[in-house]
Amino acid sequence: NAGVTQTPKFRVLKTGQSMTLLCAQDMNHEYMYWYRQDPGMGLRLIHYSVGEGTTAKGEVPDGYNVSRLKKQNFLLGLESAAPSQTSVYFCASSPTEMQPQHFGDGTRLSIL
Amino acid sequence: GQNIDQPTEMTATEGAIVQINCTYQTSGFNGLFWYQQHAGEAPTFLSYNVLDGLEEKGRFSSFLSRSKGYSYLLLKELQMKDSASYLCAVMDSNYQLIWGAGTKLIIKP
Repeated sequence: NAGVTQTPKFRVLKTGQSMTLLCAQDMNHEYMYWYRQDPGMGLRLIHYSVGEGTTAKGEVPDGYNVSRLKKQNFLLGLESAAPSQTSVYFCASSPTEMQPQHFGDGTRLSIL
Repeated sequence: GQNIDQPTEMTATEGAIVQINCTYQTSGFNGLFWYQQHAGEAPTFLSYNVLDGLEEKGRFSSFLSRSKGYSYLLLKELQMKDSASYLCAVMDSNYQLIWGAGTKLIIKP
């Protein structure tokens, strides 16, 4: 039982490049989330989804887009990467909004 | 604004007891979560409080006072593997989690 799987685990980009981070969960959870974690700060919600085909903005959505075409997958896209987007990105899922979130191992992204 | 405060770092001795405090000011309250995060790893769920009082789960306990906007995580019989960051998160009126920056706990032999 893999839980929440994120790919890739590490990536280095140049400013202006684009990329997509993939999150897959095998727990049949309705809710999925994308966070970023920066030193000295709490996790900040980028976007989230309450079910297949739905997405919503979180606290820091600018510069990111998401898609949830299949229930088990939640994709995070950076259209034109900026150095300020250097961070560790975590995907999480939960059965309902009230229940604990299960996290993937994170993607460490550096933008030069 | 919404705010979660917890100490940046704490040090404790193996076998001892440590209490990690969390105070919060949020728009609405739908529960408080504690997560553990080892360096370079994912956060993992420890406890959930929605009513006032103490929740005990093995060596870990979590307390909540909604009137004071206050919670603590109590870790007993500390082990070296408890060295990690402990994250406090409050679910606000929109059912979104507001996260503290985390408390790095260092366990010394």
